[in-house]
Amino acid sequence: VQLQESGPGLVKPSETLSLTCTVSGDSINSYYWSWIRQPPGKGLEWIAHIYYSGNTNFNPSLKSRVTISVDTSKNQFSLKLNSVTAADTAVYYCARAPHYYLTDGGWFAPWGQGILVTVSS
Amino acid sequence: QSVLTQPPSASETPGQRVTISCSGSSSNIGSNDVHWHQQFPGTAPKLLIYRNDQRPSGVPDRFSGSKSGTSASLAISGLRSEDEADYYCAAWDHSLSGVIFGGGTKLTVL
Repeated sequence: VQLQESGPGLVKPSETLSLTCTVSGDSINSYYWSWIRQPPGKGLEWIAHIYYSGNTNFNPSLKSRVTISVDTSKNQFSLKLNSVTAADTAVYYCARAPHYYLTDGGWFAPWGQGILVTVSS
Repeated sequence: QSVLTQPPSASETPGQRVTISCSGSSSNIGSNDVHWHQQFPGTAPKLLIYRNDQRPSGVPDRFSGSKSGTSASLAISGLRSEDEADYYCAAWDHSLSGVIFGGGTKLTVL
């Protein structure tokens, strides 16, 4: 199973960050699929996840700005984060969460390689 | 500030055993499983332990996890220089309805 993030590496302040994760070796029609980010030199922050059926959960601190969706025909899932600021500069990872229960949250395998997104004018 | 508390750093000499703690509360570790991820500089994290004490295929049995009450621990025995990395605990939090991570522990093999 492999996951690959794609999208712009540079986003202007106040604009929308858009990323796509392409999944190979597994069907997206199962499990949870997550986005996680890591600001330079800092720790990991969970952003959101989507269940294959479409159910979603969000980090409360980001919920108002985040959209997550899944495209089963392309075996992809996507992240949109609007009104970005410099504080949103980070490496963004997508990850499979190979479980069916929310209480297993935090179990991620595998992770994508990550994509650095810089917010700057 | 992370909801799960980890020591920012740990160190030990090769061959020895080191433990990394992860402290939470009743809304996360106290009621849900804990998972551990290992991250080398410049690379993506990798799952090390899931469901408190389960090792994915390929993870050496030098790595072990445990949980008691609202705390969890990762133990590494027979420490090797290649174990030098950042280690993160993670769990579901019922109050936040989301996944939370510990702040991470940087392990140095002296």
